[in-house]
Amino acid sequence: KAGVTQTPRYLIKTRGQQVTLSCSPISGHRSVSWYQQTPGQGLQFLFEYFSETQRNKGNFPGRFSGRQFSNSRSEMNVSTLELGDSALYLCASSLGETGYNSPLHFGNGTRLTVT
Amino acid sequence: QKEVEQDPGPLSVPEGAIVSLNCTYSNSAFQYFMWYRQYSRKGPELLMYTYSSGNKEDGRFTAQVDKSSKYISLFIRDSQPSDSATYLCAMTGMDSSYKLIFGSGTRLLVRP
Repeated sequence: KAGVTQTPRYLIKTRGQQVTLSCSPISGHRSVSWYQQTPGQGLQFLFEYFSETQRNKGNFPGRFSGRQFSNSRSEMNVSTLELGDSALYLCASSLGETGYNSPLHFGNGTRLTVT
Repeated sequence: QKEVEQDPGPLSVPEGAIVSLNCTYSNSAFQYFMWYRQYSRKGPELLMYTYSSGNKEDGRFTAQVDKSSKYISLFIRDSQPSDSATYLCAMTGMDSSYKLIFGSGTRLLVRP
């Protein structure tokens, strides 16, 4: 069974630009969560989608947004990039909603560098 | 104070040693506990998943939950250099209103 696939693996953008990251969950998984990972802050929750509806949102500014499609694939978008947005962005999928009684399975992430 | 505390390490041990990794937490509502392993340039990989208190064993790995002390542990027996990675604990509550909260991770180095 294929795991969670994230594209692209690496991305370099300039401050002020916007970026879209893509995630394909494990087949049959209906929940997709996004996390930002940095050395200083660790894993921080961005948002979670279940059956195309946003179920939970972390404490990130409105520049960070996401969506989920009917096939459970998900995208996240960051507009007006700032230097501090440089991070590893991880997507995770699960059968049920957010980790409770249905653990998350992560992809290998998209490494975003903002210059 | 963070909801989940985890010593960042690094923890350096010789090959064959028993490793103990720990997390403490403050929210008594947490019921589901997980351990993830993350290799460099990879995403976290689920190692252990437990519900409520008690022990769970899987090969060389044992997860232990002590809800009365709000303390969870991961033991690795006969540690191998391939176990060198960052280990993250994670936990959440009983329903979907809870977010999954991660510890900051402990970096483990197993020396040959």
